[in-house]
Amino acid sequence: KNQVEQSPQSLIILEGKNCTLQCNYTVSPFSNLRWYKQDTGRGPVSLTIMTFSENTKSNGRYTATLDADTKQSSLHITASQLSDSASYICVVSGARGSTLGRLYFGRGTQLTVWP
Amino acid sequence: GAVVSQHPSWVICKSGTSVKIECRSLDFQATTMFWYRQFPKQSLMLMATSNEGSKATYEQGVEKDKFLINHASLTLSTLTVTSAHPEDSSFYICSARHPLTYEQYFGPGTRLTVT
Repeated sequence: KNQVEQSPQSLIILEGKNCTLQCNYTVSPFSNLRWYKQDTGRGPVSLTIMTFSENTKSNGRYTATLDADTKQSSLHITASQLSDSASYICVVSGARGSTLGRLYFGRGTQLTVWP
Repeated sequence: GAVVSQHPSWVICKSGTSVKIECRSLDFQATTMFWYRQFPKQSLMLMATSNEGSKATYEQGVEKDKFLINHASLTLSTLTVTSAHPEDSSFYICSARHPLTYEQYFGPGTRLTVT
């Protein structure tokens, strides 16, 4: 079964600290893996996108890593800001057959940054 | 990045009435759009795939007669929730697939509350 699991479910950190969010997936084969940020009551906004051949991708203070062998990805946020408080969703896109182009969503990690 | 809009951003309706939600791709033509539903602290769940000029493809368990989808133009898809019930209260998000990159761009979502 194609699944995307994220951990932790929720996380609270102090402003200025770093954190790492995890994503494990079973979608296979996959074409790409995305991390989205979803503010409360808003639609998801793309942070990074990586194909199976990429190991890391950065977007400002966000750095995503991908290990296609172990089917794991992480999103590292450095020097957190209050505006980083949001849900971070890992999304895997299928690559073939019935999964081609289909997006598989994790439940997200709810990050709260305290001042 | 590409922009997808939704209207309205929130709506409250009485049980038994119908509600129409619009999804527009503002800077590209999308032959394919998607409708998702998201309950609190849950991941996005695909409801249906909307194809311009043809019938929508519904996911298993989604009632096509209750959630009417019309994709009359390359920039507009509508979702009509017919005979709404309180259990239909949810956050509805659309996305539009870019014809060249196949990237899905998400709208800001519509909060539906049925009283």
